[in-house]
Amino acid sequence: EDQVTQSPEALRLQEGESSSLNCSYTVSGLRGLFWYRQDPGKGPEFLFTLYSAGEEKEKERLKATLTKKESFLHITAPKPEDSATYLCAVQAGSDYKLSFGAGTTVTVRA
Amino acid sequence: SQTIHQWPATLVQPVGSPLSLECTVEGTSNPNLYWYRQAAGRGLQLLFYSVGIGQISSEVPQNLSASRPQDRQFILSSKKLLLSDSGFYLCAWSVGSGRRHEQYFGPGTRLTVT
Repeated sequence: EDQVTQSPEALRLQEGESSSLNCSYTVSGLRGLFWYRQDPGKGPEFLFTLYSAGEEKEKERLKATLTKKESFLHITAPKPEDSATYLCAVQAGSDYKLSFGAGTTVTVRA
Repeated sequence: SQTIHQWPATLVQPVGSPLSLECTVEGTSNPNLYWYRQAAGRGLQLLFYSVGIGQISSEVPQNLSASRPQDRQFILSSKKLLLSDSGFYLCAWSVGSGRRHEQYFGPGTRLTVT
């Protein structure tokens, strides 16, 4: 069974204080690793897809990287509007299903 | 561009009452469709997914059911709600073929069973 573990559960940052979120996974035949942002009371918003180890994707202050066992979401010089829960998900095998981690809730203080 | 709608946005229902949540997608054809439930402080649990009209796969045994009467319409139902059915229900879609399988989520329905 696919397993996705995110750490830490919660992260409190000062504005401008860069940090990283971790997503470790155990799957057979990774087809893709996905990062989402979720604001309270809303549906997750798609951020990135990573397909193979060594791949990196960037969007504004966010950068996602992938190794064979884990992915990192780096937040550079965060702003209060970066406060959200960040979800990681993996797709493996031959079907379309995603397995999600429990998420990391990031709070950025001004 | 593609848009996904869910309604209602919030719902309060008594135990034992029926349920019907609707999801529609615009701007794409033959999408894969998904229903998830998200409990407070927990990750997303896949309930059902569909790769075409009338084709439904269930992931978790429960008193919920799903139907896909049209290509871009996905319905989540229950004949009798339980307290444990409370949660945030999310519908999602993905492209039906090709390499890109990222899922795009709707705004969600907050269900409270009392």
